[in-house]
Formats: sequence, structure tokens, C-alpha cells
Amino acid sequence: DGGITQSPKYLFRKEGQNVTLSCEQNLNHDAMYWYRQDPGQGLRLIYYSQIVNDFQKGDIAEGYSVSREKKESFPLTVTSAQKNPTAFYLCASKNTGNTIYFGEGSWLTVV
Amino acid sequence: AQSVTQPDIHITVSEGASLELRCNYSYGATPYLFWYVQSPGQGLQLLLKYFSGDTLVQGIKGFEAEFKRSQSSFNLRKPSVHWSDAAEYFCAVGVDSSYKLIFGSGTRLLVRP
Repeated sequence: DGGITQSPKYLFRKEGQNVTLSCEQNLNHDAMYWYRQDPGQGLRLIYYSQIVNDFQKGDIAEGYSVSREKKESFPLTVTSAQKNPTAFYLCASKNTGNTIYFGEGSWLTVV
Repeated sequence: AQSVTQPDIHITVSEGASLELRCNYSYGATPYLFWYVQSPGQGLQLLLKYFSGDTLVQGIKGFEAEFKRSQSSFNLRKPSVHWSDAAEYFCAVGVDSSYKLIFGSGTRLLVRP
């Protein structure tokens, strides 16, 4: 099946730890995105990448980092500098028709 | 600044009744507009999109939306709601060539049996 796979579905982080959320797509899409969703709110853009080896900050990039070494993969690292990381994280990718598809999301909780 | 407003936080309708979810956007150029639906704890599913052309767009699951430039609106409609439509609905505008999405805060739809 083609699609966007996010893992893990649930992740717990201790204070001061970095954690990495995985996002893999087999849709051959060039552009990929990371969004954060807080309860009762819409999604906010963290980082995006339009092509391999290039990425740009979104509206709330502080405390996060990404890499784009392969077309299929766009991992997001939540660093210890992110003071309030508990949220639902969604990865997305865009096809050549400019339609954006989302993965199933990952829940991150700080314990 | 670009923004999307969904003025209704919650809407409750009876099964079989019609539905309209409101969306207003603020964007200087021609907007690329989307409606997504999200079930609890899940990702977002695209219902429909507007890029250009006919201002009435048809989507999946019997949904449609109408783009009204004069009102800066892109309201979502369905003539007859089913219990399975209960979910959260997000309107979004895509900005610049990167298609970064700016989302509204969502409208939660509850369906009465």
C-alpha cells in the first residue's frame, strides 16, 4: 500500500531527553511537512522540505530539528529545548497536483 | 497576515439533516483552499480542495464546498448527514509555492440519532 507511515504511534519522553519521530512515504512525493496539533486547536507548521537535502523552518520551529537525506524520509527530532513538547505530531507530503496527504500521527507525552 | 477562521467550535445536527460548516480566510493572493476531516486520534483525510475554476467543488463522502471571493469564504456543506460524519473538520489555506497550510481551529461535528 502506498502512503505515509509515522512511528511510533505513542512515545513518552523524560525531561531533558531528545526524541525522534519517524515519517516515511512511498508516494514519491518531493515535498514533506511536519505539523503539531494541540488539543482543541488547529495544526501549526514546524518544518517543511521541498526537496532532498533542503528544509525550511515553519512557524514554530524552535526546539525542533529535521533532516532530509532521502526523498522517502523526513524525521523530526524534538529536543530538550522544546519546553512544551506534549502534542500530536502529523507528517504530510504533497503530490505534483499540490494535494497534501497526512500520516496517522504520533502522540508525544512528556513524563 | 494569512489566517483562517472557523467560527463554530461545535455544531450538533440530527442525522439526515443538512449541514453547513463555515470557513473564512484572510490571504492577499488567490487562495488554495482545503477541507480536511479528522477522527479522534487519527490523521487528516482530505475531503475536497479548491485551486481555481468552478467555485462549487465536489468532494468525497457527499461533501461540497463553495468558494466566494467577495466574502472570503469557503463553506462546507452536506445535504444529509450520517452518524459516521461525526468528527472534527478543518479548513485550511495553502500559501505560496510551498503550499504551507494555515489551518483554522476546527469545528467538531456531533450527530444526534
